[in-house]
Amino acid sequence: DAGITQSPRHKVTETGTPVTLRCHQTENHRYMYWYRQDPGHGLRLIHYSYGVKDTDKGEVSDGYSVSRSKTEDFLLTLESATSSQTSVYFCATTTGGTLPNGYTFGSGTRLTVV
Amino acid sequence: SQELEQSPQSLIVQEGKNLTINCTSSKTLYGLYWYKQKYGEGLIFLMMLQKGGEEKSHEKITAKLDEKKQQSSLHITASQPSHAGIYLCGADGTGTASKLTFGTGTRLQVTL
Repeated sequence: DAGITQSPRHKVTETGTPVTLRCHQTENHRYMYWYRQDPGHGLRLIHYSYGVKDTDKGEVSDGYSVSRSKTEDFLLTLESATSSQTSVYFCATTTGGTLPNGYTFGSGTRLTVV
Repeated sequence: SQELEQSPQSLIVQEGKNLTINCTSSKTLYGLYWYKQKYGEGLIFLMMLQKGGEEKSHEKITAKLDEKKQQSSLHITASQPSHAGIYLCGADGTGTASKLTFGTGTRLQVTL
């Protein structure tokens, strides 16, 4: 979706290094989310944000931190990457409320930790 | 927390055949969202169901939500290769759609 850009699209990093993934939206949506997708687990929520500087943990937040200093940007940081964090990461946004169109998703970032 | 089970996990159908994917929730749903994902891409919204007994259709895809609002089905009529991908259901368990829980997905292959 042109309204959400994730960067980088692919990354290979070494165990123990910090990694930051970026999500940029032009939708002016209030809510932003980071999910990871793994075989057999579907999408699992890592962290989400309900406004600038307002964030909360999801179900798999250990080892991850987030920041949102502007409405349009939501950063996900792996403080010290581990092989278990090899995954595809998706950013999503919504305006909130029971919307007929649900979330808008980015194209994903494929992260490999070696 | 909300748990969603999808079945089957994977499905191979011949082009032209009909198929059904199910999504079952452990709790009553405020909203149920269906998404489709092609390999290496993000999720594309298909449709959203909110009321018990509701049914929506888009082209050859029909989704239903049962009266108790704990189970949804996605039915594809006369499948085509373009229908191939991963189908995921997402549930709103709070009524605010502020945090969706997703099922594990159903991988659909359509053979010629």
